[in-house]
Amino acid sequence: AQKVTQAQTEISVVEKEDVTLDCVYETRDTTYYLFWYKQPPSGELVFLIRRNSFDEQNEISGRYSWNFQKSTSSFNFTITASQVVDSAVYFCALWTNSGYSTLTFGKGTMLLVSP
Amino acid sequence: GAGVSQSPSNKVTEKGKDVELRCDPISGHTALYWYRQSLGQGLEFLIYFQGNSAPDKSGLPSDRFSAERTGGSVSTLTIQRTQQEDSAVYLCASSLEGGVGSPLHFGNGTRLTVT
Repeated sequence: AQKVTQAQTEISVVEKEDVTLDCVYETRDTTYYLFWYKQPPSGELVFLIRRNSFDEQNEISGRYSWNFQKSTSSFNFTITASQVVDSAVYFCALWTNSGYSTLTFGKGTMLLVSP
Repeated sequence: GAGVSQSPSNKVTEKGKDVELRCDPISGHTALYWYRQSLGQGLEFLIYFQGNSAPDKSGLPSDRFSAERTGGSVSTLTIQRTQQEDSAVYLCASSLEGGVGSPLHFGNGTRLTVT
């Protein structure tokens, strides 16, 4: 069975601080995809990134970066120089090729960035 | 182009009444998903459509829940004899194709309150 754990329920930082959101996943499949989504107060889930299980290269997009480590089954997300607009709930999700046709989501991490 | 559209955005109903929630996916997206998000919880998968058929209904919590999709486009989620525990935000998502880890694009959801 698939499982995604986001141990941090809520994180509070002050603007310009760096923050890392943790994600640990469980699967027996060798082919899978990992995702991060952002859910701002407006409610709409916004796709941020998809990473397949064969590509362990870290990725950077502006102030966002992702660290994928298969050895520890983790796919952590770092926001550099956080801004108030980064305040949202962030979800990590897993899709596997085991017959399940949908994403398994973690419970989310609420990030609050204060000025 | 237009994103995933859901209606109504809010619905208040009395316990025991039936409700219908509607989802208009992104044009050309063959896969459509329904999720439920309860307060403080992650996203709970309900049902997945590929075209008009539903290969995965495993997430429907009871036989009071049903869904259909017509013309490979619009989908309706119906909850019969609503109960208070059905109160949640119901999210619809679509993707270009199902089953291969395609990113899901979510609507803003329908907030259902059962009194």
